[in-house]
Amino acid sequence: GEDVEQSLFLSVREGDSSVINCTYTDSSSTYLYWYKQEPGAGLQLLTYIFSNMDMKQDQRLTVLLNKKDKHLSLRIADTQTGDSAIYFCAESSPSGAGSYQLTFGKGTKLSVIP
Amino acid sequence: EAQVTQNPRYLITVTGKKLTVTCSQNMNHEYMSWYRQDPGLGLRQIYYSMNVEVTDKGDVPEGYKVSRKEKRNFPLILESPSPNQTSLYFCASRPGLAGVFSYNEQFFGPGTRLTVL
Repeated sequence: GEDVEQSLFLSVREGDSSVINCTYTDSSSTYLYWYKQEPGAGLQLLTYIFSNMDMKQDQRLTVLLNKKDKHLSLRIADTQTGDSAIYFCAESSPSGAGSYQLTFGKGTKLSVIP
Repeated sequence: EAQVTQNPRYLITVTGKKLTVTCSQNMNHEYMSWYRQDPGLGLRQIYYSMNVEVTDKGDVPEGYKVSRKEKRNFPLILESPSPNQTSLYFCASRPGLAGVFSYNEQFFGPGTRLTVL
């Protein structure tokens, strides 16, 4: 089946940039997503990128997509303690009859050191 | 407010005592699903439903049942819970069909932390 891989842990100092990486295997992916899960909460969509784009910027967040290498990254500038959370990479791809499947990575736990 | 609600949020039970975790969404979404989240394993899909009366197994369906009698509700049933079903459970919903120019966000409930003794 399709697979999405990401490292499990990342630790950064407050004020530094964080880069969370993700690789995926499905070449028919249409959208790629980053979800954020804060402690004790459900997942919330943080940002997304369409597969024909290679970069998307949204305030402190920059998403880079290398479709050739099937590599997605999320950069958080000026990381704050409130950014401490688990970040899930996910990709959607067609699954027939107009529907699509959504595959999640295992999540990267970002710890921000004050 | 668009949301997915789950109840209960926390549950401690004993082996073999049947339980149901409810899930409801107010966005008229066709697709609903259940996940469990365990340390180091990420999210694993238990069951999903493409629409009313249409359900299918996900990656880890053993020991679980679901039903989809109404579009808004998708309860998760554990007929005979066992300690290996101790986990954090999430219900999620999204539109059923892919939109070429729509990113089709999946919405998650707040989670139900289940402990089976």
